[in-house]
Amino acid sequence: DQQVKQNSPSLSVQEGRISILNCDYTNSMFDYFLWYKKYPAEGPTFLISISSIKDKNEDGRFTVFLNKSAKHLSLHIVPSQPGDSAVYFCAASGEAGGTSYGKLTFGQGTILTVHP
Amino acid sequence: NAGVTQTPKFQVLKTGQSMTLQCAQDMNHEYMSWYRQDPGMGLRLIHYSVGAGITDQGEVPNGYNVSRSTTEDFPLRLLSAAPSQTSVYFCASSWGGWAGGLNTEAFFGQGTRLTVV
Repeated sequence: DQQVKQNSPSLSVQEGRISILNCDYTNSMFDYFLWYKKYPAEGPTFLISISSIKDKNEDGRFTVFLNKSAKHLSLHIVPSQPGDSAVYFCAASGEAGGTSYGKLTFGQGTILTVHP
Repeated sequence: NAGVTQTPKFQVLKTGQSMTLQCAQDMNHEYMSWYRQDPGMGLRLIHYSVGAGITDQGEVPNGYNVSRSTTEDFPLRLLSAAPSQTSVYFCASSWGGWAGGLNTEAFFGQGTRLTVV
C-alpha cells in the first residue's frame, strides 16, 4: 500500500516557466512533509519542507503548498532552470518525538526535465 | 565536516554471501536510517535507529540486520544475499529534536550500488 504517491513519472517544462510537481498521501498521521532532489549517482538532497500547521512555505524559487483536507502537496519552481533537471521525491513523516519520527515514507519520484 | 559517508560505493556479491554496508555521520545526529531505492518504487525504509543502542524495523527489514553501538555509525548487514537485494542503498541521518515545532530534514549519503548475482 503506497502511502505517498507521485502519479506523474515525468514532467517536461521550458526554461523560465513554472514547474509544478504533485504528491498525494493517504496516512492522516503524517505531520511533516519534505521534498528532495536527486541527481544520478548521488544521494537525495533536501530541498524544502512544510509542517502540517502551515499551508505554504517558500524558499527562493521553491514553494511548497499543503492541502491537508485533500491530503495533497505540491512543489512549485519558478522560474525553472535547466539545472533543476533531476528526480524529485516527496516524503512524509510523523511528529517529532513520536514513534514515527525520523521514518520517511517516500513517493516514487518525478523526473523533471527543464529544456533551455 | 563530511556529513554522511557510505562505503563501499559499489559491490557485487554472490547469492548466499554476507556483507556489511558501512555508514558514518559526523553531525552528532540521533536518528539514522537505511533505505533502498528500486526503479519505480522510490526509497523504502529498511531499518532505523533513534539513538545508540536503539533500532527498529522499517517497511522492508527482511534479510537485513542492524546495530547501533555508537552515535556515529550505523552498519547494515546482509545475512545471506539474494538477487532480490540488488538495489541502491542509502544511509541517512537527522537531528532528533523539536526545533520550534518544526521537524528537521534527513541528510543522505552518496549511496551503495549492490548487485547480487
